[in-house]
Amino acid sequence: QSALTQPASVSGSPGQSITISCTGTSSDVGSYNLVSWYQQHPGKAPKLMIYEGSKRPSGVSNRFSGSKSGNTASLTISGLQAEDEADYYCCSYAGSDVVFGGGTKLTVL
Amino acid sequence: QVQLQESGPGLVKPSQTLSLTCTVSGGSISSGGYYWSWIRQHPGKGLEWIGYIYYSGSTYYNPSLKSRVTISVDTSKNQFSLKLSSVTAADTAVYYCARDIRYSSSTWFDPWGQGTLVTVSS
Repeated sequence: QSALTQPASVSGSPGQSITISCTGTSSDVGSYNLVSWYQQHPGKAPKLMIYEGSKRPSGVSNRFSGSKSGNTASLTISGLQAEDEADYYCCSYAGSDVVFGGGTKLTVL
Repeated sequence: QVQLQESGPGLVKPSQTLSLTCTVSGGSISSGGYYWSWIRQHPGKGLEWIGYIYYSGSTYYNPSLKSRVTISVDTSKNQFSLKLSSVTAADTAVYYCARDIRYSSSTWFDPWGQGTLVTVSS
């Protein structure tokens, strides 16, 4: 399984909205509407932000939302805050396998 | 709430076997319903899923690592372990354990351990 494709970096100003894309194939993202997203601050473990494509775990801000179109899943963060600056990874089920995206560094300007 | 903690040597010599243990607290591995995974992150790089184990001992490994990986479970200690054989410098990474939730052709990882850096060097 090849890694899912994410932009290396995105940026936005406080209060703005940004979207991070995650492109896979018909064998992973396209077949299963069930991408998960993780936030990772430097030196910390990843934290689950979105699961099953668009569901938020308890405690995750509703500023985070997920969607999918075809072979591409997306994570949108609205009302950007300084604390959102981190790396973000998508993850897709692919049969019994699991494949991650290469990660996107979000910079809050 | 469930918490996971990795433990094991931080330095392994080339060609030797890397061994790590993940201790689960706040919940029982043997209660079922969840898988337990290992994931690694090379320095400055992305995440790579290594494999999972179910409390029954059933396993599945990333095909790219399958020939060198063994994941086992000790339900009496509420732990699961990773062994990676014939390591090289390319296996230097932060290793995470995580609860792997699989439902209706979906999977997600929550929570994660804090991670442990394993360096392969002579």
